[in-house]
Amino acid sequence: NAGVTQTPKFQVLKTGQSMTLQCAQDMNHNSMYWYRQDPGMGLRLIYYSASEGTTDKGEVPNGYNVSRLNKREFSLRLESAAPSQTSVYFCATGRDRAWDQPQHFGDGTRLSIL
Amino acid sequence: DAKTTQPTSMDCAEGRAANLPCNHSTISGNEYVYWYRQIHSQGPQYIIHGLKNNETNEMASLIITEDRKSSTLILPHATLRDTAVYYCIVRDGSSNTGKLIFGQGTTLQVKP
Repeated sequence: NAGVTQTPKFQVLKTGQSMTLQCAQDMNHNSMYWYRQDPGMGLRLIYYSASEGTTDKGEVPNGYNVSRLNKREFSLRLESAAPSQTSVYFCATGRDRAWDQPQHFGDGTRLSIL
Repeated sequence: DAKTTQPTSMDCAEGRAANLPCNHSTISGNEYVYWYRQIHSQGPQYIIHGLKNNETNEMASLIITEDRKSSTLILPHATLRDTAVYYCIVRDGSSNTGKLIFGQGTTLQVKP
């Protein structure tokens, strides 16, 4: 049981390049989330998907787009990478958005923008 | 902003119980207390959560005071692998997103 799988684990980009971060879950969860973690700032929500076919903005959506491809997969795209997007990106899933249900996280993608 | 206050760091001897405190004096009646930990370079790991009753699972116990203004996470027999940053989170019941708000957490160092 892999849980939440993120690919790639590491990536270095040049400013202006684009890339897609992938997240897949085998927990049969409805809700999926993308967070970023920066030193001293905790985790911040970028986008989330309450269920298949829906996506909504979180706290820091600028510069990102997402796709909920199906129930299992939720991808995060950087169209034109900027150095400010250097961060560790975590995908999380939850049975639903209810606050009595825990979220489960992947191991992250470490992204550096030069 | 995080609605919890935790000590910045704590030490614990290997094999002893680790008791991590958390204050959440503004918690609302339907808000849950969650605990996660993050071991260096890994994703946050869910530990336990509760509303008002004490909870126990295979990883830890959660003790919530009767007025719900504070709680304690107990790792009964700490090992070196329990060295991590521990986050106490009050889940925002008013949020449509269901997001978790992580504060600075407590860095627990388990020593031999």
